[in-house]
Amino acid sequence: DAGITQSPRYKITETGRQVTLMCHQTWSHSYMFWYRQDLGHGLRLIYYSAAADITDKGEVPDGYVVSRSKTENFPLTLESATRSQTSVYFCASSPSGTSGTDGELFFGEGSRLTVL
Amino acid sequence: AQSVAQPEDQVNVAEGNPLTVKCTYSVSGNPYLFWYVQYPNRGLQFLLKYITGDNLVKGSYGFEAEFNKSQTSFHLKKPSALVSDSALYFCAVRDDPFDKIIFGKGTRLHILP
Repeated sequence: DAGITQSPRYKITETGRQVTLMCHQTWSHSYMFWYRQDLGHGLRLIYYSAAADITDKGEVPDGYVVSRSKTENFPLTLESATRSQTSVYFCASSPSGTSGTDGELFFGEGSRLTVL
Repeated sequence: AQSVAQPEDQVNVAEGNPLTVKCTYSVSGNPYLFWYVQYPNRGLQFLLKYITGDNLVKGSYGFEAEFNKSQTSFHLKKPSALVSDSALYFCAVRDDPFDKIIFGKGTRLHILP
């Protein structure tokens, strides 16, 4: 199906475990982003990527790792999960440029992560 | 570094009245400004954007926003609120077309019947 999909949609894990959240988009958008949403903090950018093999830190990158070997995939890994990483995670993609839909973000449905 | 401020956590408006959700921003260059809406348990949906041109931008569901460069503001407006407009609204800014997008903390809009 066309669009942007996240998996898993719900995940419960324990402190110290490694967790990977997957994000896949079918539009061949250049940019991809990971945000976390927390009450009182809104959406905060974790990492973003301008193209395959190009990633950069956002506002809250500590404790997270990303990779982008293919344009369509942008997995987010929590190498050793902590309770403070309990959150809803949103992946988004964006075409480059400034015309049409360029610059807009297209969001996935979110992944709700609970770290016990 | 760019930043966005939404000074109101919540805005309450009676149905049929005009609504305004406030947003101010800070960027080093020319801003690319966006409004998104989030309904419960859903991802964010695009409402409108300002890249260049007319300061008044029209978007989805009858919403519009006014870009004010001198006040560095991009307030979201609607002439007549509907109960179905109740949702969480986010303002966002991009410093240039090839950079990250930063969001405000969001404003919860309650439209009272």
